[in-house]
Amino acid sequence: GAVVSQHPSRVICKSGTSVKIECRSLDFQATTMFWYRQFPKQSLMLMATSNEGSKATYEQGVEKDKFLINHASLTLSTLTVTSAHPEDSSFYICSARERGSSYGYTFGSGTRLTVV
Amino acid sequence: DAKTTQPPSMDCAEGRAANLPCNHSTISGNEYVYWYRQIHSQGPQYIIHGLKNNETNEMASLIITEDRKSSTLILPHATLRDTAVYYCIVRVATNDYKLSFGAGTTVTVRA
Repeated sequence: GAVVSQHPSRVICKSGTSVKIECRSLDFQATTMFWYRQFPKQSLMLMATSNEGSKATYEQGVEKDKFLINHASLTLSTLTVTSAHPEDSSFYICSARERGSSYGYTFGSGTRLTVV
Repeated sequence: DAKTTQPPSMDCAEGRAANLPCNHSTISGNEYVYWYRQIHSQGPQYIIHGLKNNETNEMASLIITEDRKSSTLILPHATLRDTAVYYCIVRVATNDYKLSFGAGTTVTVRA
């Protein structure tokens, strides 16, 4: 089945630094990927839609300059959290869907970001 | 997308069937019912989806009422590893359409 690989699984960074999270579709091409954020004991919240070769579409309330998304190829999307602050600490998850698949979306295993 | 209503939590016994209800009374004709689950600290996992007919796969069965206003996900023989948050989502099945998650049902399987 379709596999989405997400790295790193955990990262700790200092306030003010930037962190990059990678999301790769390993065995299929994904023109669109999605980025979610999940705080403890809450549901997933969609942050943005990543489109290959074009700008990402951000959900209302998500700062595009803080959460930079790059979808450089059909198998790779990256999320960069710039100038991270402790309140950015969260579980970040990406997902993608194989074109033509009758199944739903495949999700990455998530990245636990802790900003200290 | 149509909204869904799920009970916040439920317990079930290991080895027994777990029946998870979902109400989606405002579902449109072209919207599918999808079920995902999220085991603690992992990404969500696709379980099953359907439009009108009942569906079954190696993980679960999906029963959709004739008026499509509600559905039930059935885990036939629950195991401890089925403990997770289960999400019922209704959406059109077009490519690249975003998926929005509600609160889901926290299912705890007890030995």
